[in-house]
Amino acid sequence: EADIYQTPRYLVIGTGKKITLECSQTMGHDKMYWYQQDPGMELHLIHYSYGVNSTEKGDLSSESTVSRIRTEHFPLTLESARPSHTSQYLCASSEASGATEQFFGPGTRLTVL
Amino acid sequence: RKEVEQDPGPFNVPEGATVAFNCTYSNSASQSFFWYRQDCRKEPKLLMSVYSSGNEDGRFTAQLNRASQYISLLIRDSKLSDSATYLCVVNEPFSGGYNKLIFGAGTRLAVHP
Repeated sequence: EADIYQTPRYLVIGTGKKITLECSQTMGHDKMYWYQQDPGMELHLIHYSYGVNSTEKGDLSSESTVSRIRTEHFPLTLESARPSHTSQYLCASSEASGATEQFFGPGTRLTVL
Repeated sequence: RKEVEQDPGPFNVPEGATVAFNCTYSNSASQSFFWYRQDCRKEPKLLMSVYSSGNEDGRFTAQLNRASQYISLLIRDSKLSDSATYLCVVNEPFSGGYNKLIFGAGTRLAVHP
């Protein structure tokens, strides 16, 4: 089992609220990623990080922001949640070198009312 | 054109059947290849890497054809527990010497008694 954790697992929240989705890993991986996935659809990369103080936007435009102050922690924040943000958010990590697999957390299923 | 294309399925097969999934990728500079499995409402997990010489893991066989930019996954003697979505994943070079994983939309497999 991969040592990558996400909280909360499920979140139902009203429009306009600020939310932070937590992701942490204990594998010492430098690379971390956030994906967004709607039911039955493909994963879309929304943010990634190559290490501490490194953050980049992914292929899919997102209103969320991320930070990487510690290697093991990669939180995602939505300043003002909207119904269009309803989706599953998956965090992943991988080793820094080489073309290695990504390990995924269990995901956060977000519903914005 | 999508960077990684898969037949979405679903493939509905009886137990014991042999089923093959295909995947094509557009970037000839892609460096490594994987098959991931994703169960309904769960996170993706690595099923197997795909090597140029082809590789086998029990009932699963993966093949790569770099000239045709084509990857396949063969499942023999299907089990009910094989029911899932199978994601074709390609590792592409990226700016700054980094690389990133590109996920296909997945092929859904349903094995019935």
